[in-house]
Amino acid sequence: SQQGEEDPQALSIQEGENATMNCSYKTSINNLQWYRQNSGRGLVHLILIRSNEREKHSGRLRVTLDTSKKSSSLLITASRAADTASYFCATEGLSNAGNMLTFGGGTRLMVKP
Amino acid sequence: GAGVSQSPSNKVTEKGKDVELRCDPISGHTALYWYRQRLGQGLEFLIYFQGNSAPDKSGLPSDRFSAERTGESVSTLTIQRTQQEDSAVYLCASSRDRSTDTQYFGPGTRLTVL
Repeated sequence: SQQGEEDPQALSIQEGENATMNCSYKTSINNLQWYRQNSGRGLVHLILIRSNEREKHSGRLRVTLDTSKKSSSLLITASRAADTASYFCATEGLSNAGNMLTFGGGTRLMVKP
Repeated sequence: GAGVSQSPSNKVTEKGKDVELRCDPISGHTALYWYRQRLGQGLEFLIYFQGNSAPDKSGLPSDRFSAERTGESVSTLTIQRTQQEDSAVYLCASSRDRSTDTQYFGPGTRLTVL
């Protein structure tokens, strides 16, 4: 079963609006990462938040982490049509060998111009 | 600089045939990972290499799947006697070493088994 589960599975918004995606996970983690995947392309790393961090910003991205609830959110502010993609959260667990990641099912974001 | 590359980008094969997928990691990255992404689903971990050895093969779905890595560089994922349920995008990622958090992903190989 997947460690991370994204919510919603699909999100459609107008350009300029904010998009919020949520991720829940089951086991204790070292860190949680968000990735973007454009159609037909590989995954692009967006942001990493460590288990002792609560909030992190990168440009128009804001990520929060609540380890007590085992959940994270990704906020994209002032969305653009180019933000249209699938967004995945991935967790690195405490007991993983190496630092392989466990991914959720993703949120498909469509930003309409 | 060059990123992770994978070949072929697309592969269509008939059920029962063997396929070989290739991954070229970023130069100097000692850790290499294979993932599978079925349509509309998240990524499944398949196998992890540290150097040329694979300490974790737990994600390989069956004995039809195998992978190797040589020269701490190129890796090949081989699927024998392909089945329709093997149809997916196979993604490769590399990271500098096991203590590095960021994995860099290739564009993937889209495998279709008819």
